[in-house]
Amino acid sequence: GAGVSQSPSNKVTEKGKDVELRCDPISGHTALYWYRQRLGQGLEFLIYFQGNSAPDKSGLPSDRFSAERTGESVSTLTIQRTQQEDSAVYLCASSEDSGRNTGELFFGEGSRLTVL
Amino acid sequence: QKEVEQDPGPLSVPEGAIVSLNCTYSNSAFQYFMWYRQYSRKGPELLMYTYSSGNKEDGRFTAQVDKSSKYISLFIRDSQPSDSATYLCAIYTGGFKTIFGAGTRLFVKA
Repeated sequence: GAGVSQSPSNKVTEKGKDVELRCDPISGHTALYWYRQRLGQGLEFLIYFQGNSAPDKSGLPSDRFSAERTGESVSTLTIQRTQQEDSAVYLCASSEDSGRNTGELFFGEGSRLTVL
Repeated sequence: QKEVEQDPGPLSVPEGAIVSLNCTYSNSAFQYFMWYRQYSRKGPELLMYTYSSGNKEDGRFTAQVDKSSKYISLFIRDSQPSDSATYLCAIYTGGFKTIFGAGTRLFVKA
């Protein structure tokens, strides 16, 4: 596709349920990021994938959060046993590894998660 | 101390005003500075990018970096209602890591 695609765009779930959020990056982009944006706040880094390297999971807030990516394709962010504090917009971004990387990130429109 | 500090606003200005948005950062080694614009219910998109110190101009937008004071600015001239958005400063620290400010919500009133 032309841009980063995320699904679902909106998800309402009950506390304690598991959710899966999906990201389809721009074709050819080797790097993929997940960020969390709470209402009125900036972007909080969660996890980063680069090609086949081990992901940088340093931003994951707890062991309830996990993410996978197969090769340079789709990624899934999973939140287990959701809590109300998990309510936020989850943004996925991708970037290219061109050797001239200036760090430009291309974002999807986000998945808005509401935990009741 | 946060690596990047940004006043979240909101900032409300009349149409045609000059807008000044600012961030401060802590690490003098940072070299790549960016401004992202985020419309409501959309993802951020890169607006301006500056390497090291100095100014960069693009139409009504000017990005400025003062490394001596570790200060990043974005100026918007002749602001328009369509400029109403959240503006996030960002610093690419290398190693595929970008850190973001909290974002400033801007409202331009017609």
